[in-house]
Amino acid sequence: GAGVSQSPSNKVTEKGKDVELRCDPISGHTALYWYRQSLGQGLEFLIYFQGNSAPDKSGLPSDRFSAERTGGSVSTLTIQRTQQEDSAVYLCASSLYGGWGVYEQYFGPGTRLTVT
Amino acid sequence: SQQGEEDPQALSIQEGENATMNCSYKTSINNLQWYRQNSGRGLVHLILIRSNEREKHSGRLRVTLDTSKKSSSLLITASRAADTASYFCATGAQGAQKLVFGQGTRLTINP
Repeated sequence: GAGVSQSPSNKVTEKGKDVELRCDPISGHTALYWYRQSLGQGLEFLIYFQGNSAPDKSGLPSDRFSAERTGGSVSTLTIQRTQQEDSAVYLCASSLYGGWGVYEQYFGPGTRLTVT
Repeated sequence: SQQGEEDPQALSIQEGENATMNCSYKTSINNLQWYRQNSGRGLVHLILIRSNEREKHSGRLRVTLDTSKKSSSLLITASRAADTASYFCATGAQGAQKLVFGQGTRLTINP
């Protein structure tokens, strides 16, 4: 079946503009995660959705970052007033159930964001 | 700081040789996972080992876990050029809600 998809694959934006990144998880996966990866670095957790529960937003770096998940499926990560330090690859992952660290996560190809 | 720290940061070996990467972590975990990343994009899950397991195999992969030392190792036997990638360990800590990734080991297999 289809894997996790993300769009756009690349996004170049000017400093100060808002951007929206989209993630389509694997059908039936109840948990969805967003990560950020700077060049040559590991993954930085941003936010986690599990079913209808309140999301875990503890990894969002500032109030310029927000995310929503509609209908328990598609998720959108929004970055307002982008800064150059926001430049990174944004990765989305989904898993069959939540329960951190128990189930494998399936990753999308990522969105490479460049803020000029 | 990161929960998982990989060692070495970079490893270059000849095709056919074995590659060993290590991961250390700080807090108690309920499991540890290894992922591979090609070309800086999406990660692929390789193997999961639970805290009550000591060793696990999957094809040419062998993972060990030593909870007393808070460390894990990933061994890739008979390496191939296609194994060239970055490898990350990720830990699911007990009582936590995050899967924390290390900085990764960049593995290069030379033909």
